[in-house]
Order: sequence, then C-alpha cells, then structure tokens
Amino acid sequence: EVQLQQSGPEVGRPGSSVKISCKASGYTFTDYVMNWVKQSPGQGLEWIGWIDPEYGSTDYAEKFKKKATLTADTSSSTAYIQLSSLTSEDTATYFCARGDTMYTTDSPPYFDYWGQGVMVTVSS
Amino acid sequence: DVVLTQTPVSLSVTLGDQASISCRSSQSLEYSDGYTYLEWYLQKPGQSPQLLIYGVSNRFSGVPDRFIGSGSGTDFTLKISRVEPEDLGVYYCFQATHDPFTFGSGTKLEIK
Repeated sequence: EVQLQQSGPEVGRPGSSVKISCKASGYTFTDYVMNWVKQSPGQGLEWIGWIDPEYGSTDYAEKFKKKATLTADTSSSTAYIQLSSLTSEDTATYFCARGDTMYTTDSPPYFDYWGQGVMVTVSS
Repeated sequence: DVVLTQTPVSLSVTLGDQASISCRSSQSLEYSDGYTYLEWYLQKPGQSPQLLIYGVSNRFSGVPDRFIGSGSGTDFTLKISRVEPEDLGVYYCFQATHDPFTFGSGTKLEIK
C-alpha cells in the first residue's frame, strides 16, 4: 500500500526557516517524482514544485523559487521541503503528493497519492 | 500562468441528482505530445485532496463510474450522476500541461 507520511505541525518565527518531511512507503521511491502543494487557510491549492528523487532534479513555480527548497534522501525514501525567510504569508498546510504519469516518464504528472498535510504557522 | 476558471463556485444538490462542474482554461491544455493533462481532485472536509480523474476522462482506481470527465482544448466538465453523501467537498480542476501547473479555484458541493 502506497503511503506518504508527513511530519508534524511546525511553528516558525518570522524570518526563520522550517523543514517538513514526507516519508514514502509501499513503492520504489526513485520511480516517481514528488510534488508539493500549498493550501493557505480557507483557500485553494497552489503547486509549489516537484523533485525527481532519482536524479535530484527539481522544478519550481516561479513564486516559490526563493521560498522553497526541495530535497530527497533516497536512503530513507523521504522527501523534504524547506521554507525560508518565513512571513505570515507562509502560514498554510503543505502537502506532498506523488506524481505518476500516463504515457511516458516524461509526461506531465498527475497526483495519485497525497500525504496528510502539515500545518505551518508563522508567529512571533 | 494558465488560469483555470471553475463554475459554479458552489453547488447545492439533492441526493440522487446530477451535478456538473465546468473548468475553463485561459490557454489550450493540449500538450506537445497531443494529449491533454487536465485532472480533477476532490477535497473532502478535513482531508487531503484525492484524485478522481486524470487525462480529462480517465477515472482513477476505485473512483465510481458516477464520475465522468470530458472536454478538450480549453473547456472541461466534471459530471457526477446520482450524487451521494460522500461526494460532498470541494472539487478542483488542475492542469499539468503548462509550467507552472495550476489549480482552479474550486467548486464546493453541498448536499441539500
């Protein structure tokens, strides 16, 4: 059974950084990209970016390029997102989501399995 | 960035009736390979989003055949026939054809 287990809620002070983890199980970690999605309180969904754990390659939405850093540890099948220079705008729930593809490994992904989400609160 | 406009914003449906949600894109979602990467997700209250439909019309594993996705180019529709209580939540369309990937703003389905 595919599972994505995310770490617990985080509280960060303005200007600091937090790092959230997403531990994958039930499949070969390096066979799928891992995506990250942001949901601000009471709001919709925003795609942050993806990482290919096999190669470490990444792609980010422009607005998150200076905010988020995606990494992956293949030895523990865990993906990470680090959020830096925190502001109140970063208060949100962050989801990891596995990206599968329909046709080839280069096809754009769809998100078939999701983590439970991590609430990040920025507060002084 | 591609903007996905969902209508209606909210929908109140009687159990057993049909619901229809529209998703209109600011650009064609046909990819260079000829396929269209438009998905539908449902976020039930207090839960993570879950995949319903991928590639416009393909139901994900375990999704009932009451959920039907259709469309092409810039106009897409999700139809839910015979609405059941477990269908309530917020429905999002999503496109992965253009970078950055983007979600629609969501349609909240309520049960009358």
